[in-house]
Amino acid sequence: QVQLEQSGAEVKKPGASVKVSCKASGYMFTSYAIHWVRQAPGQRLEWMGWINPGSGNTKYSQKFQGRVTITRDTSASTAYMELSSLRSEDTAVYYCAREITMKLVAAFDPWGQGTLVTVS
Amino acid sequence: DIQMTQSPSSLSASVGDRVTITCRASQSISKYLNWYQQKSGKAPKLLLLAASTLQSGVPSRFSGSGSGTEFTLTISSLQPEDFATYFCQQTYSTPPSFGGGTKVEIK
Repeated sequence: QVQLEQSGAEVKKPGASVKVSCKASGYMFTSYAIHWVRQAPGQRLEWMGWINPGSGNTKYSQKFQGRVTITRDTSASTAYMELSSLRSEDTAVYYCAREITMKLVAAFDPWGQGTLVTVS
Repeated sequence: DIQMTQSPSSLSASVGDRVTITCRASQSISKYLNWYQQKSGKAPKLLLLAASTLQSGVPSRFSGSGSGTEFTLTISSLQPEDFATYFCQQTYSTPPSFGGGTKVEIK
């Protein structure tokens, strides 16, 4: 079945960087975009950016522009999200999600299990 | 950016109740609206996309309607496994954005 498996929890100091991985299985990795979304405590889900694994093209939220980098390794069917210059407000669960399209409408399915990043 | 507003933010209901959750967009998004369920400590799960299309494997007690700026998610007969938080999401324009969530609790 289609699955996204993320790397484990991280604890980072302010100013450091974190890189989270998202390994896809059960489908052709290069055929579906991967999005990154975070959920800070008590906050709504927040979109960070996405990558087209086939071309490597990316698009980032203005909020994270300059601090986030999304890459992929097609040989490993894995996408990565790196966030730099971490601050306490970046403490959150980070999710990857596959984009599907039906009736021209994009949606996210499935999601990875989430990776807790704690900045302290 | 498009703002998504859900109401109510929480509700208490009993098993068997009919539950309706509303999502409003700050501008017209046609039918580019999706609904997700999130249980505590778990990732969101896609329930409906394009406002009213049930994702494969999702029970038929879930339904969605609306277009433009106002949308609803209805659970026709609440089951014990439905107690969770529900989010709407627009994918009409980038950045895709989410509602603040509606927590459905046991009365």
